[in-house]
Amino acid sequence: DTGVSQDPRHKITKRGQNVTFRCDPISEHNRLYWYRQTLGQGPEFLTYFQNEAQLEKSRLLSDRFSAERPKGSFSTLEIQRTEQGDSAMYLCASSPRQGTNTEAFFGQGTRLTVV
Amino acid sequence: AQSVSQHNHHVILSEAASLELGCNYSYGGTVNLFWYVQYPGQHLQLLLKYFSGDPLVKGIKGFEAEFIKSKFSFNLRKPSVQWSDTAEYFCAVIPRREGGKLIFGQGTELSVKP
Repeated sequence: DTGVSQDPRHKITKRGQNVTFRCDPISEHNRLYWYRQTLGQGPEFLTYFQNEAQLEKSRLLSDRFSAERPKGSFSTLEIQRTEQGDSAMYLCASSPRQGTNTEAFFGQGTRLTVV
Repeated sequence: AQSVSQHNHHVILSEAASLELGCNYSYGGTVNLFWYVQYPGQHLQLLLKYFSGDPLVKGIKGFEAEFIKSKFSFNLRKPSVQWSDTAEYFCAVIPRREGGKLIFGQGTELSVKP
């Protein structure tokens, strides 16, 4: 499968623990996006990368959240000191070039449950 | 604030019924418009997109959408739904000056009864 891959698919963690998610975009896609989706809502933008540069972060992304894309390929999203409100589906998407006349391809997401 | 509104949270139809899902956005500039679908247990997939040109766009699986600029709307239609269309549908926009991030509506869950 050459689509966007996310790992793990599910993560259950205790409140206060740190978690890290990985996203492998479609090969050669320059842009990589992270979104968060809670039940009954559409995905909300968190941050995006153009190659290895993080170009924008949403105000939703508190200081406990950090994202990296060190070599312009895969990306990681880390949440430190998790809270119950962090429970959500975390989606990764990639697109082939900069600009807006392009579509984003989504992974299947990582479902985080904080207990 | 920029937003996307989907009119219906949950729609229930019988097979062969016609479908129209409403979507309105609030953004004064030029936008690109999308409808995504999420089948149960699957990832978001693109149904159709509008960048420019003919405001009536056709997508996969018999879906189409019409962009009406004066109404800031991009409604999704299908003349005859099938049970396999049961899914959640998301309208999304990219304001052209916003660097490519999608702004999603809250989604409409469609249930098609066989």
